[in-house]
Amino acid sequence: GESVGLHLPTLSVQEGDNSIINCAYSNSASDYFIWYKQESGKGPQFIIDIRSNMDKRQGQRVTVLLNKTVKHLSLQIAATQPGDSAVYFCAENSRSGGGADGLTFGKGTHLIIQP
Amino acid sequence: NAGVTQTPKFRVLKTGQSMTLLCAQDMNHEYMYWYRQDPGMGLRLIHYSVGEGTTAKGEVPDGYNVSRLKKQNFLLGLESAAPSQTSVYFCASSYSGAIGDEQFFGPGTRLTVL
Repeated sequence: GESVGLHLPTLSVQEGDNSIINCAYSNSASDYFIWYKQESGKGPQFIIDIRSNMDKRQGQRVTVLLNKTVKHLSLQIAATQPGDSAVYFCAENSRSGGGADGLTFGKGTHLIIQP
Repeated sequence: NAGVTQTPKFRVLKTGQSMTLLCAQDMNHEYMYWYRQDPGMGLRLIHYSVGEGTTAKGEVPDGYNVSRLKKQNFLLGLESAAPSQTSVYFCASSYSGAIGDEQFFGPGTRLTVL
């Protein structure tokens, strides 16, 4: 089946800088994308989502950009803080026929915040 | 409101042993999911349920069985554990299966099969 993947397994940034985490997807039928944050020893936590009819969506300190032409998704975190250290997953959902078959996750990017 | 809870948190099994992982949610969600997470990989869907009494296979269902006898509970069973099933297991639930409906995850169960 088609999969969602990430460009970099580890990203190290200075505290206070902006972070950009990238994700490539291959399923052209994907119509919904989510970014999850997973802290050590915990389950994934929803950060922000975007539908395929949008190019950009903003939340609190986070922005998701979607480029459907090149099938690319990115998560921007502004003014990173120590609490942002985690593994970030992109996930996609492309349901046909109304079936609920869960999410397809990328491998994850480990964001490390340097003091 | 506890959200999604999982028991146990940790378990060590010997090859061939059986066990059941329990997932419970108190949000009255219809949909529930079981994922596994292996090192360096994203979560993969094992089985899911769209309502009480229903179950369906996900991406990696072999070696697992599930049951949804009550709406709030979703059980994942391993009849004969194998070392390849060493993983962290996450349960999730959502109100419906509609696009945009957030999945809420439990804290995970770390299973080691020797």
